[in-house]
Amino acid sequence: GNSVTQMEGPVTLSEEAFLTINCTYTATGYPSLFWYVQYPGEGLQLLLKATKADDKGSNKGFEATYRKETTSFHLEKGSVQVSDSAVYFCALSENNFNKFYFGSGTKLNVKP
Amino acid sequence: NAGVTQTPKFQVLKTGQSMTLQCAQDMNHEYMSWYRQDPGMGLRLIHYSVGAGITDQGEVPNGYNVSRSTTEDFPLRLLSAAPSQTSVYFCASSPPGSRGETQYFGPGTRLLVL
Repeated sequence: GNSVTQMEGPVTLSEEAFLTINCTYTATGYPSLFWYVQYPGEGLQLLLKATKADDKGSNKGFEATYRKETTSFHLEKGSVQVSDSAVYFCALSENNFNKFYFGSGTKLNVKP
Repeated sequence: NAGVTQTPKFQVLKTGQSMTLQCAQDMNHEYMSWYRQDPGMGLRLIHYSVGAGITDQGEVPNGYNVSRSTTEDFPLRLLSAAPSQTSVYFCASSPPGSRGETQYFGPGTRLLVL
Protein backbone atom coordinates (compact mmCIF):
# COMPACT_ATOMS: atom_id res chain seq x y z
CA GLY A 1 0.00 0.00 0.00
CA ASN A 2 0.86 3.68 0.05
CA SER A 3 2.27 5.46 3.06
CA VAL A 4 4.41 8.42 4.06
CA THR A 5 6.84 8.60 6.97
CA GLN A 6 8.19 11.87 8.31
CA MET A 7 10.70 12.68 10.99
CA GLU A 8 9.10 13.42 14.30
CA GLY A 9 9.14 16.89 15.73
CA PRO A 10 9.18 19.35 17.04
CA VAL A 11 12.22 20.75 15.31
CA THR A 12 13.57 23.88 16.97
CA LEU A 13 16.04 26.08 15.10
CA SER A 14 17.49 29.52 15.42
CA GLU A 15 16.78 32.08 12.73
CA GLU A 16 19.04 31.68 9.65
CA ALA A 17 19.80 28.04 10.45
CA PHE A 18 19.64 25.29 7.80
CA LEU A 19 16.53 23.16 7.77
CA THR A 20 16.05 19.55 6.74
CA ILE A 21 12.85 17.61 7.33
CA ASN A 22 13.09 14.01 6.22
CA CYS A 23 10.30 12.27 4.32
CA THR A 24 10.24 8.77 2.88
CA TYR A 25 7.42 7.03 1.11
CA THR A 26 6.07 3.67 0.08
CA ALA A 27 4.01 3.49 -3.07
CA THR A 28 2.69 0.83 -5.38
CA GLY A 29 3.14 2.91 -8.51
CA TYR A 30 4.75 6.20 -9.45
CA PRO A 31 3.18 8.82 -7.23
CA SER A 32 3.37 12.59 -7.19
CA LEU A 33 4.95 14.03 -4.04
CA PHE A 34 4.01 17.16 -2.12
CA TRP A 35 4.93 19.29 0.84
CA TYR A 36 2.10 21.16 2.53
CA VAL A 37 2.41 23.74 5.30
CA GLN A 38 -0.11 24.49 8.04
CA TYR A 39 0.09 27.73 10.00
CA PRO A 40 -1.64 27.89 13.39
CA GLY A 41 -5.42 27.84 13.12
CA GLU A 42 -5.42 27.45 9.35
CA GLY A 43 -5.90 24.77 6.73
CA LEU A 44 -3.09 23.23 4.73
CA GLN A 45 -1.44 25.14 1.89
CA LEU A 46 0.64 23.66 -0.89
CA LEU A 47 4.31 24.54 -0.45
CA LEU A 48 5.85 22.62 -3.35
CA LYS A 49 5.45 19.47 -5.40
CA ALA A 50 7.23 17.10 -7.79
CA THR A 51 5.52 14.76 -10.19
CA LYS A 52 8.31 12.48 -11.40
CA ALA A 53 11.69 11.11 -10.37
CA ASP A 54 14.56 13.63 -10.14
CA ASP A 55 12.17 16.59 -10.30
CA LYS A 56 12.94 19.36 -7.83
CA GLY A 57 10.08 21.35 -6.35
CA SER A 58 10.83 24.78 -4.94
CA ASN A 59 8.97 27.70 -3.41
CA LYS A 60 9.75 30.51 -0.94
CA GLY A 61 13.32 29.25 -0.49
CA PHE A 62 12.22 25.68 0.26
CA GLU A 63 13.33 22.81 -1.96
CA ALA A 64 12.73 19.08 -2.23
CA THR A 65 13.96 16.55 -4.79
CA TYR A 66 12.01 13.43 -5.78
CA ARG A 67 14.47 10.56 -5.22
CA LYS A 68 13.04 7.33 -6.57
CA GLU A 69 16.10 5.26 -5.69
CA THR A 70 15.83 6.14 -2.00
CA THR A 71 12.04 6.74 -2.03
CA SER A 72 12.59 10.10 -0.38
CA PHE A 73 11.44 13.70 -0.70
CA HIS A 74 13.32 15.62 1.98
CA LEU A 75 12.45 19.28 2.56
CA GLU A 76 15.31 21.78 2.84
CA LYS A 77 15.76 25.50 3.34
CA GLY A 78 19.07 27.27 3.59
CA SER A 79 18.09 29.97 6.07
CA VAL A 80 14.88 29.75 8.07
CA GLN A 81 12.93 32.69 9.40
CA VAL A 82 10.64 33.05 12.40
CA SER A 83 7.74 33.26 9.95
CA ASP A 84 8.52 29.70 8.78
CA SER A 85 7.28 28.35 12.11
CA ALA A 86 4.48 25.96 11.19
CA VAL A 87 3.64 22.29 10.76
CA TYR A 88 4.95 20.68 7.57
CA PHE A 89 3.28 17.67 5.96
CA CYS A 90 4.74 15.39 3.33
CA ALA A 91 2.18 13.71 1.09
CA LEU A 92 1.85 11.54 -1.97
CA SER A 93 -0.94 11.07 -4.44
CA GLU A 94 -1.75 8.14 -6.59
CA ASN A 95 -1.78 8.58 -10.32
CA ASN A 96 -5.53 8.51 -10.57
CA PHE A 97 -8.13 10.70 -8.90
CA ASN A 98 -5.63 12.44 -6.62
CA LYS A 99 -6.12 10.21 -3.61
CA PHE A 100 -3.70 11.65 -1.05
CA TYR A 101 -1.72 10.03 1.74
CA PHE A 102 -0.21 12.31 4.37
CA GLY A 103 2.62 11.93 6.82
CA SER A 104 2.06 12.72 10.48
CA GLY A 105 3.48 16.23 10.19
CA THR A 106 6.59 17.88 11.60
CA LYS A 107 6.29 20.98 13.73
CA LEU A 108 8.99 23.59 13.13
CA ASN A 109 9.75 26.27 15.71
CA VAL A 110 12.13 29.02 14.65
CA LYS A 111 13.47 31.26 17.41
CA PRO A 112 14.81 34.78 16.82
CA ASN B 1 -13.28 33.23 -5.45
CA ALA B 2 -14.00 32.19 -1.89
CA GLY B 3 -12.11 28.92 -2.46
CA VAL B 4 -13.09 26.10 -0.11
CA THR B 5 -15.40 27.10 2.73
CA GLN B 6 -16.41 25.04 5.75
CA THR B 7 -19.10 25.55 8.37
CA PRO B 8 -19.27 25.56 11.31
CA LYS B 9 -15.79 26.50 12.56
CA PHE B 10 -16.38 24.86 15.92
CA GLN B 11 -19.03 22.50 17.25
CA VAL B 12 -19.71 20.70 20.50
CA LEU B 13 -21.90 17.58 20.40
CA LYS B 14 -23.14 15.10 22.92
CA THR B 15 -22.61 11.40 22.32
CA GLY B 16 -25.35 10.06 20.04
CA GLN B 17 -26.24 13.38 18.44
CA SER B 18 -26.11 13.81 14.69
CA MET B 19 -24.84 16.70 12.65
CA THR B 20 -23.69 17.70 9.19
CA LEU B 21 -20.41 19.44 8.44
CA GLN B 22 -20.76 21.63 5.40
CA CYS B 23 -18.18 22.07 2.65
CA ALA B 24 -18.48 24.15 -0.50
CA GLN B 25 -16.11 25.24 -3.25
CA ASP B 26 -16.57 27.75 -6.05
CA MET B 27 -13.70 26.63 -8.28
CA ASN B 28 -15.68 24.05 -10.28
CA HIS B 29 -13.42 21.29 -8.97
CA GLU B 30 -14.57 17.76 -9.64
CA TYR B 31 -12.60 16.10 -6.88
CA MET B 32 -13.53 16.72 -3.23
CA SER B 33 -12.51 14.94 -0.06
CA TRP B 34 -12.87 14.93 3.71
CA TYR B 35 -10.00 14.37 6.14
CA ARG B 36 -9.71 14.23 9.87
CA GLN B 37 -6.62 15.47 11.65
CA ASP B 38 -5.63 13.95 14.96
CA PRO B 39 -2.48 14.67 16.99
CA GLY B 40 0.49 12.64 15.78
CA MET B 41 -1.46 11.00 12.98
CA GLY B 42 -1.45 13.56 10.21
CA LEU B 43 -4.50 13.70 7.97
CA ARG B 44 -6.53 10.61 7.27
CA LEU B 45 -8.96 10.37 4.37
CA ILE B 46 -12.58 9.73 5.37
CA HIS B 47 -14.49 9.88 2.09
CA TYR B 48 -13.89 11.33 -1.32
CA SER B 49 -15.80 12.13 -4.48
CA VAL B 50 -14.62 12.32 -8.07
CA GLY B 51 -17.73 14.12 -9.27
CA ALA B 52 -21.40 14.77 -8.62
CA GLY B 53 -23.20 11.55 -7.77
CA ILE B 54 -19.99 9.59 -7.15
CA THR B 55 -18.49 8.96 -3.72
CA ASP B 56 -16.14 6.39 -2.25
CA GLN B 57 -14.63 5.44 1.07
CA GLY B 58 -11.23 6.48 2.25
CA GLU B 59 -9.07 5.15 5.05
CA VAL B 60 -11.42 5.81 8.01
CA PRO B 61 -15.06 5.91 6.76
CA ASN B 62 -16.87 4.26 9.66
CA GLY B 63 -19.38 6.53 11.39
CA TYR B 64 -19.53 9.02 8.51
CA ASN B 65 -21.76 9.40 5.47
CA VAL B 66 -21.38 11.63 2.44
CA SER B 67 -23.30 12.54 -0.67
CA ARG B 68 -22.48 14.70 -3.67
CA SER B 69 -25.57 16.07 -5.36
CA THR B 70 -23.82 19.09 -6.88
CA THR B 71 -20.29 19.90 -7.99
CA GLU B 72 -20.04 22.67 -5.38
CA ASP B 73 -21.12 20.92 -2.17
CA PHE B 74 -19.84 17.90 -0.29
CA PRO B 75 -21.40 17.57 3.18
CA LEU B 76 -20.15 15.13 5.80
CA ARG B 77 -22.73 13.57 8.11
CA LEU B 78 -22.16 12.11 11.54
CA LEU B 79 -25.17 9.90 12.22
CA SER B 80 -24.48 9.17 15.91
CA ALA B 81 -21.49 11.07 17.27
CA ALA B 82 -18.95 9.29 19.45
CA PRO B 83 -16.08 10.73 21.54
CA SER B 84 -13.64 9.04 19.14
CA GLN B 85 -14.87 11.44 16.45
CA THR B 86 -13.46 14.42 18.34
CA SER B 87 -11.07 15.85 15.79
CA VAL B 88 -10.41 18.64 13.33
CA TYR B 89 -12.07 18.03 9.98
CA PHE B 90 -10.76 19.41 6.73
CA CYS B 91 -12.46 19.49 3.37
CA ALA B 92 -10.36 19.72 0.22
CA SER B 93 -10.94 20.02 -3.50
CA SER B 94 -8.85 19.73 -6.65
CA PRO B 95 -9.38 20.19 -10.37
CA PRO B 96 -9.70 17.25 -12.72
CA GLY B 97 -6.44 15.75 -13.81
CA SER B 98 -4.56 12.53 -13.83
CA ARG B 99 -1.39 13.47 -12.02
CA GLY B 100 -0.06 15.86 -9.46
CA GLU B 101 -3.04 18.13 -9.13
CA THR B 102 -2.94 20.35 -6.06
CA GLN B 103 -5.54 19.96 -3.35
CA TYR B 104 -7.01 23.15 -1.89
CA PHE B 105 -8.02 22.96 1.75
CA GLY B 106 -10.73 24.67 3.73
CA PRO B 107 -10.00 26.28 7.12
CA GLY B 108 -11.30 23.28 9.08
CA THR B 109 -14.06 22.45 11.54
CA ARG B 110 -13.09 21.64 15.11
CA LEU B 111 -15.49 19.07 16.60
CA LEU B 112 -15.71 18.09 20.25
CA VAL B 113 -17.91 15.14 21.20
CA LEU B 114 -18.67 14.83 24.90
